[in-house]
Amino acid sequence: EADIYQTPRYLVIGTGKKITLECSQTMGHDKMYWYQQDPGMELHLIHYSYGVNSTEKGDLSSESTVSRIRTEHFPLTLESARPSHTSQYLCASSIQGVGNEKLFFGSGTQLSVL
Amino acid sequence: DAKTTQPPSMDCAEGRAANLPCNHSTISGNEYVYWYRQIHSQGPQYIIHGLKNNETNEMASLIITEDRKSSTLILPHATLRDTAVYYCIVRSGGSEKLVFGKGTKLTVNP
Repeated sequence: EADIYQTPRYLVIGTGKKITLECSQTMGHDKMYWYQQDPGMELHLIHYSYGVNSTEKGDLSSESTVSRIRTEHFPLTLESARPSHTSQYLCASSIQGVGNEKLFFGSGTQLSVL
Repeated sequence: DAKTTQPPSMDCAEGRAANLPCNHSTISGNEYVYWYRQIHSQGPQYIIHGLKNNETNEMASLIITEDRKSSTLILPHATLRDTAVYYCIVRSGGSEKLVFGKGTKLTVNP
């Protein structure tokens, strides 16, 4: 079973606040990802990382930023939250390899910006 | 990575086999077929993947046609808890990104 944790599970916050969504995995996986998903819609990749000190932007442009200082930790930060940031944010990790790459997802953070 | 086409929705009776199709006609030789599912706003869950041979695990079977242009995910005895959105994804082993499409919303009925 995957050990990847996201906190908080739900977050309701006012416009202009700075927020950090936490994601941690205890599997020693090199690759980590952030996806964004609106209700009933597709998942969109917004950030990913190959390993420590590596971060890349995904296919969907996002005002959020990420950091990867430790293998197990991949937090996502919004400097100034806006209502347009309301969405579900899903973190995932995988073992780096060729041809056998299962992604393990956390339970997600449902963000509501008022 | 090749694009995939899936029906938007399907229904299945509880206890019967659910066969979910996926077309990936532009698949290339080094691209794998992956299946994930997402149960109501939870994180997606890996089900199975394959390259060209049929695969089976404790969750499902994956049948890939000989030309690899399509595949079918089979849940042999669907239960109500299998109601979810099922995603078929094609990606190369070296690709850094897993791109999720709209998937198939499978509803298992009692």
